[in-house]
Formats: sequence, C-alpha cells, structure tokens
Amino acid sequence: QKEVEQDPGPLSVPEGAIVSLNCTYSNSAFQYFMWYRQYSRKGPELLMYTYSSGNKEDGRFTAQVDKSSKYISLFIRDSQPSDSATYLCAMTGSGGYQKVTFGTGTKLQVIP
Amino acid sequence: SAVISQKPSRDICQRGTSLTIQCQVDSQVTMMFWYRQQPGQSLTLIATANQGSEATYESGFVIDKFPISRPNLTFSTLTVSNMSPEDSSIYLCSVEGTPYNEQFFGPGTRLTVL
Repeated sequence: QKEVEQDPGPLSVPEGAIVSLNCTYSNSAFQYFMWYRQYSRKGPELLMYTYSSGNKEDGRFTAQVDKSSKYISLFIRDSQPSDSATYLCAMTGSGGYQKVTFGTGTKLQVIP
Repeated sequence: SAVISQKPSRDICQRGTSLTIQCQVDSQVTMMFWYRQQPGQSLTLIATANQGSEATYESGFVIDKFPISRPNLTFSTLTVSNMSPEDSSIYLCSVEGTPYNEQFFGPGTRLTVL
C-alpha cells in the first residue's frame, strides 16, 4: 500500500463547477499537508499548505484536512479553464527536516 | 519563495551517454533536492544535496548512477550516467521553505533516452 493515494483522473468538469480533489494517506505522523498545481511542461507550483486538521481558504481554493480519517481535500470554486492542470497532494511530518511524500497527481480539465 | 532555474529544459540523448543538469537558485539555501517524475508516478526524491558535504541518496538511487555536486549555496548539478531508456523522465530540483518543509521547484528537465 502506498503511503499516499490519489486518484489520477482525468477529471473533466464544465467551467464554473465546483471541483473536489482528494488524497488519502496511511502515515499518522504526517502533520503538514500541501497542494501543488503543475501545468504541462512546468514544475509543480505550491498552491496551499495547511498544518494539522481543519480548513484553509485562499480565494477560490479551500484545503481541508481530516486527520482522524487520514483524508485531505482541495476544493476549487467557480472553476476556470486556466485551472486545467495536474494537482498533486503532498505531506510531511514535523520536527526538523522531514521528507515530503507526494501523491501521483490528479489531472483536471475545465471545459469552457 | 526562491526563484529556481534549470538547464537544459529538455534533451534527447543516446543510450550509454551521460547528461548533467544544472540548477541555479536566486538566494542562498542550505539544502537542495533532486526529484524524478515519471509518467503516472509520484515525485520521487533522488537525493538531498547540502553544500560542503556528500549528497544523501534515497533507497534505489546510487552515487555512481546519479552523481551530484553542490559547490556553493546557490548551485547544484545532477548527472544521469550511462543512460538507458528507463531514465527517460522529468528531473526537478527544489529547495525547502519554512516552516512547513514545503518544496519549491524549478521548471524541470525533460529527458528522453533513445
């Protein structure tokens, strides 16, 4: 079993839809949770990060962490064609340097 | 966040040859990281490079195959040696942010081995 599981998609939605992207994980030591966006032929770009459980909102994006279920989500409201990209979840532990573990990424296409 | 550049952006190489990838950061950083991203797979950490010491390699990666240099606090190179088609991948360098150990990535080097 992989430490981090993420549905690879592809996920196609119409413009304006609410998108839900999810990851599950097995390592209870993970404390920091991140979402990256990667456009084709580009490096991953940090989108959001959260610490422990709870929600964090930034514009149209909301990151949610449920540590009891080992489940994290990224919601995109009013999705735009420019949101079409691959979204990777990532997580790491706390206390000094900890290796970051990535999901495989979900490819999202927002159709105009 | 740091600005990271990589050279080359892409290359097509013959089996058995070697390629050196350069990574330049616009600020001094203690740790630099090299990742591999293969289609359909998650980002895999190859090694961590600290200035002034030997790189630390992850399980499955060895120095003879992926030698790394870290001559100063803003620059690192990764060499992919004796390449085979299985080495075709995107290679990314990154630096670490604080306080969450979040990774900031360069644009990547897309390598195709024939």
